[in-house]
Order: sequence, then C-alpha cells, then structure tokens
Amino acid sequence: EVQLLESGGGLIQPGRSLRLSCTVSGFNFDDYAMHWVRQAPGKGLEWVSGITWNSDKVDYAASVRGRFTISRDSARNSLYLQMNSLRPEDSAVYYCGRDKGKFGELLEQWGQGTLVTVSS
Amino acid sequence: DIQMTQSPSSVSVSVGDRVTITCRASQGISTWLAWYQQKPGKAPKLLIYAASGLQSGVPSRFSGSKSGTDFTLTISSLQPEDVATYYCQQAHSFPFSFGPGTKVEIK
Repeated sequence: EVQLLESGGGLIQPGRSLRLSCTVSGFNFDDYAMHWVRQAPGKGLEWVSGITWNSDKVDYAASVRGRFTISRDSARNSLYLQMNSLRPEDSAVYYCGRDKGKFGELLEQWGQGTLVTVSS
Repeated sequence: DIQMTQSPSSVSVSVGDRVTITCRASQGISTWLAWYQQKPGKAPKLLIYAASGLQSGVPSRFSGSKSGTDFTLTISSLQPEDVATYYCQQAHSFPFSFGPGTKVEIK
C-alpha cells in the first residue's frame, strides 16, 4: 500500500524557519518525481514545489522562490521542504505528493497533510 | 508561468444530472492536464490525467476531454458522493499550477 506521511508542521512565528518531512512507503521512491502542494484555510490548492526523481530539476512557485528549498533523501525514503523567512500568508495545510512518473507531471498519490500556522 | 482558469466557480445540480466543468490555460499545454476531486477535510484525489485518461479505480461516470483551448470534466450522472470541489492542474511544465476550483453541490 502506498503511503505518504507528512510531519513537521506547527505554530511558528513570522520570519522563522521550519522543515517539513514526508516519509513514504509502498513504492520505489527513486522511480518518481515528488511535489509539495499547500492549501490555505478555505482556499484552493497551490502547487509549491517539485523535484524530479534524481533531483536533477527542481522548481518553485513564485510566491516561495528564494525562501523554500525542496530536497529528497533516497536512503531515508523521504522528501523535505525547508521553509525560511516564513510569512503569515504561508499558513496552510501542506501536502506531499507522489508523481505519476520520474520527471514531473501530476500528483497521483497524496499524503494527508500537515498544518503550518505562521503567527506571532 | 501558466495561469489556469475554471468555470463555473460553483454549481448546484440534482442527483442524476450531468455536470460540466471547464478549464482553460493561459498558453498551450497540449493535453498536459489533470483533474482532481477534493472532499471536505480530505486530501485531493486524482481523477483524470492527460486530459482524458481515467485514473484507475475512478468511476466511469467521470470523463475528461479537450476542445480547442478548453478542457472539460464531465460527470455524466451526479451521485451524492460526488459532492466535492474539483480542480484542474496543468502538467505541461514547471512551475505547475492549479485552477481556482469548482464546488459541486446537490440541489
């Protein structure tokens, strides 16, 4: 069974940093691109970042570029999102998603999400 | 970056009725389009890939198509369990982007 489990969310003050983790199981992590998608309370989905199977290509939404860094660790079957200089508008449920393929296409499998609240 | 639009923003229909949701990209994306269903409090679920491919396990009442620059998600006969918000997503190139969503309710 494919499973994606996000962790690391919580309440954090503006300007601080937070690292989200997504630990996966039930499939070969090295065969798939991975993504982070967020959803602010009562709002729609926003793609945040994606990374190809071999980390050769990464990209970010304009709203987080320069502040967030995506990475992956095959030995730990884990995806990460380092979030720096957090702003109140970064408050959202953050979902980890597995792609359908290696190079980035869509989110075929989703985790249940972890809530990040940026507030003083 | 590619921007996605959807219409309508919400729709209310009777059980058994046909529902049509339209999505448009700000530039050509060929058939690199996916549709997702999100029920309240749940993670999204992939319904359609490559504009018209039905994801495994998704009921056949869901279908996707492309006509010109418009993409369409159709629910042929709405069921109570289809109450949800539906999103399109362009998969043509990074950075990916989602449409604003269409909320489907029962009349």
